[in-house]
Amino acid sequence: DVKVTQSSRYLVKRTGEKVFLECVQDMDHENMFWYRQDPGLGLRLIYFSYDVKMKEKGDIPEGYSVSREKKERFSLILESASTNQTSMYLCASSGQGLGNTIYFGEGSWLTVV
Amino acid sequence: KQEVTQIPAALSVPEGENLVLNCSFTDSAIYNLQWFRQDPGKGLTSLLLIQSSQREQTSGRLNASLDKSSGRSTLYIAASQPGDSATYLCAVAGTASKLTFGTGTRLQVTL
Repeated sequence: DVKVTQSSRYLVKRTGEKVFLECVQDMDHENMFWYRQDPGLGLRLIYFSYDVKMKEKGDIPEGYSVSREKKERFSLILESASTNQTSMYLCASSGQGLGNTIYFGEGSWLTVV
Repeated sequence: KQEVTQIPAALSVPEGENLVLNCSFTDSAIYNLQWFRQDPGKGLTSLLLIQSSQREQTSGRLNASLDKSSGRSTLYIAASQPGDSATYLCAVAGTASKLTFGTGTRLQVTL
């Protein structure tokens, strides 16, 4: 069965802390994505990666960075967490090319206090 | 910039009713359109994917149509059940990999 696993479901962090959100997929997918989801704003793309060590900015990359050292793992990093980064973060993956279904993890709820 | 709109934002129907959810997008240059389901506090589950060259896709009680030229898609749910209660999101792929999402329609199916 297809699986995208986000290691942390619920986190509470302090302002200024460095935060790591980890995501692992077991489908040998080339593409991986990080979205955040906020009420009334929907899902917004933060970063995506189409290959190991490759990354591209999405619509809202400010305040975030990513790392993809292995094909199955895509990490989202908040260098210095701020309260406006309190959100639900969703990781996803898909195969390369047209017409591929995108698979999502269960989400990570981050609260920055 | 692609914009995706879903109307209505919320919908409540009695069990057994057939219903239609709407999705519109501003840029018709898309590769595909996907419909997702999201249960409260959970991730998204893909329901149907329609390629830009296709007009519709069906899976069980679900049927999705695509009119690319007018920038519209509909998700038809037949004989609704309480277990269908969830938020339904549509998303369009403007490139092979990137999706733009609507804000969803929250569906409640009552007994």
